[in-house]
Amino acid sequence: DTEVTQTPKHLVMGMTNKKSLKCEQHMGHRAMYWYKQKAKKPPELMFVYSYEKLSINESVPSRFSPECPNSSLLNLHLHALQPEDSALYLCASSQVGVVEKLFFGSGTQLSVL
Amino acid sequence: GESVGLHLPTLSVQEGDNSIINCAYSNSASDYFIWYKQESGKGPQFIIDIRSNMDKRQGQRVTVLLNKTVKHLSLQIAATQPGDSAVYFCAENPLGYKLSFGAGTTVTVRA
Repeated sequence: DTEVTQTPKHLVMGMTNKKSLKCEQHMGHRAMYWYKQKAKKPPELMFVYSYEKLSINESVPSRFSPECPNSSLLNLHLHALQPEDSALYLCASSQVGVVEKLFFGSGTQLSVL
Repeated sequence: GESVGLHLPTLSVQEGDNSIINCAYSNSASDYFIWYKQESGKGPQFIIDIRSNMDKRQGQRVTVLLNKTVKHLSLQIAATQPGDSAVYFCAENPLGYKLSFGAGTTVTVRA
């Protein structure tokens, strides 16, 4: 199984809502990532988890809160987002230290109204 | 085949021709240079990588060339097929712990 599964595929939320994005992989990867991708732009790193611990936060606003409950799951909790946060949110996984070979999910297309 | 000497945001290729996608990178400290393919509605997919101590690496229908003198990376796709239509991103790992992606080239294959 070389899949990274993300749910939901699409999400529309208001600026006062709280929602969560979910990501799951069963490749035994112990590094998991959240990326943000605006239309026609490259992905931008948000967070890195290594062995279920947050290792990198790329100065992401606190309205985005990541969580790694176990080695297969990664969540991104959203609260009080702004319209400019509308984007494709991608989850990825890899072997620890093998950052050049990431396995990406299909993403959650988020619209903030 | 068609090629671009400089990075261009789009490339139109006739089916069956070879295509060449170019990328300029900025950091000589990167250990790896990588190509990803992103089809519409999907996340990026790893295609091929090359270590900084290599000049060329071949995969299935793809070849990556690295010219460290001019900091240039290219991806050659042989016998381009409709399924090759996608956005192609080059990437490098200048800091070791994360990838830095280039701007991307949209490849459209003409029937």
